[in-house]
Amino acid sequence: EPEVTQTPSHQVTQMGQEVILRCVPISNHLYFYWYRQILGQKVEFLVSFYNNEISEKSEIFDDQFSVERPDGSNFTLKIRSTKLEDSAMYFCASSARASGSNSYEQYFGPGTRLTVT
Amino acid sequence: AQKVTQAQTEISVVEKEDVTLDCVYETRDTTYYLFWYKQPPSGELVFLIRRNSFDEQNEISGRYSWNFQKSTSSFNFTITASQVVDSAVYFCALSEGYSGAGSYQLTFGKGTKLSVIP
Repeated sequence: EPEVTQTPSHQVTQMGQEVILRCVPISNHLYFYWYRQILGQKVEFLVSFYNNEISEKSEIFDDQFSVERPDGSNFTLKIRSTKLEDSAMYFCASSARASGSNSYEQYFGPGTRLTVT
Repeated sequence: AQKVTQAQTEISVVEKEDVTLDCVYETRDTTYYLFWYKQPPSGELVFLIRRNSFDEQNEISGRYSWNFQKSTSSFNFTITASQVVDSAVYFCALSEGYSGAGSYQLTFGKGTKLSVIP
């Protein structure tokens, strides 16, 4: 069964460093998302991406964040200068039109745990 | 703005008991979608169900059932004859209808941690 994959599973970085989190969405999906979950808290939307551009972004997704789909398979999230408060689990998700419906079920990757020290 | 409330932070039940997880949502849209996700201790998010706002028919899948009531803006999830493997955090989520922006961002509740004791 197709699945969303993410690498690395755990990333440790020092404050101020740049990190790139990688995702490979399900191959025939059209919409791509990043969410984050600070330890013990709820999952929060960061950004959605469609047709090679950002569709929507939340207030969390400030100028320190960027997303890219550098080729036909990868979808990346870059944090330019990490802060301690960026420590969280980052989930990638992808979706495509569900048959017979206008809803887009989102399938999540296993997450990347980012630890900023 | 959309909002999802899961008032139960933690629930503990003994194996084989039935348990209901509550979810109340707020939205101004007439078309919206409701979801439940399971997050086991390993951390991944597992899709369980999607429900459309125009379909209030309840759904049953094995030991899982969902009760959607638009009149009370609730989308509750019941596990029948709970098992230890059901222990996880369960998230209810809401997505509003097509906004023209081309995406369906999910708004999650804070989750309910379910512990099933053997």
